[in-house]
Amino acid sequence: GAGVSQSPRYKVAKRGQDVALRCDPISGHVSLFWYQQALGQGPEFLTYFQNEAQLDKSGLPSDRFFAERPEGSVSTLKIQRTQQEDSAVYLCASSLGTVETQYFGPGTRLLVL
Amino acid sequence: QKEVEQDPGPLSVPEGAIVSLNCTYSNSAFQYFMWYRQYSRKGPELLMYTYSSGNKEDGRFTAQVDKSSKYISLFIRDSQPSDSATYLCAMSGYGSGGSNYKLTFGKGTLLTVNP
Repeated sequence: GAGVSQSPRYKVAKRGQDVALRCDPISGHVSLFWYQQALGQGPEFLTYFQNEAQLDKSGLPSDRFFAERPEGSVSTLKIQRTQQEDSAVYLCASSLGTVETQYFGPGTRLLVL
Repeated sequence: QKEVEQDPGPLSVPEGAIVSLNCTYSNSAFQYFMWYRQYSRKGPELLMYTYSSGNKEDGRFTAQVDKSSKYISLFIRDSQPSDSATYLCAMSGYGSGGSNYKLTFGKGTLLTVNP
């Protein structure tokens, strides 16, 4: 696949459950980003990786959110003890470097009941 | 007040019309300006990328940046039904604690082009 892929595409969780969202960036892309998009809003930055290093996690809304990219390719966004306000589309993007174009995946639509 | 303001619409135009979309922003550190198109239940797709002020044209699309007014625009000529989507402006930049990788998006404008 040439683009960014994300799985699962849809996730329904009961409040209090833990969820894990996966992102496969474009091969060779150094930078990886996670964004959160609430209904009717633009995406909001969550965190940024350069290879395996998490250089910026200033957008993570609480300590229930955790992201990792252990080998510098695939990344996982984990949300512990999900709350209803976590319901949103979680978008992953990758880019060749820092200022280059960010290519977005299709997103994971999370619904917390 | 949000850093980037964008009228969410919705905007409905007939096929062939010229569409004008715009965003205003408050952070003077922004230097990189982008327009993304997002179809329903898809990820954003980059349409135009502009550094600093000026105009950029690509086919039926023209992006304009006026840093003095903190105002950016996207024009779509000869609009087609396939242009129906949400259009998101995004920007980034150094200075004032900003970063050149962190995109700040507008809310998005929902556009419908009617055949």
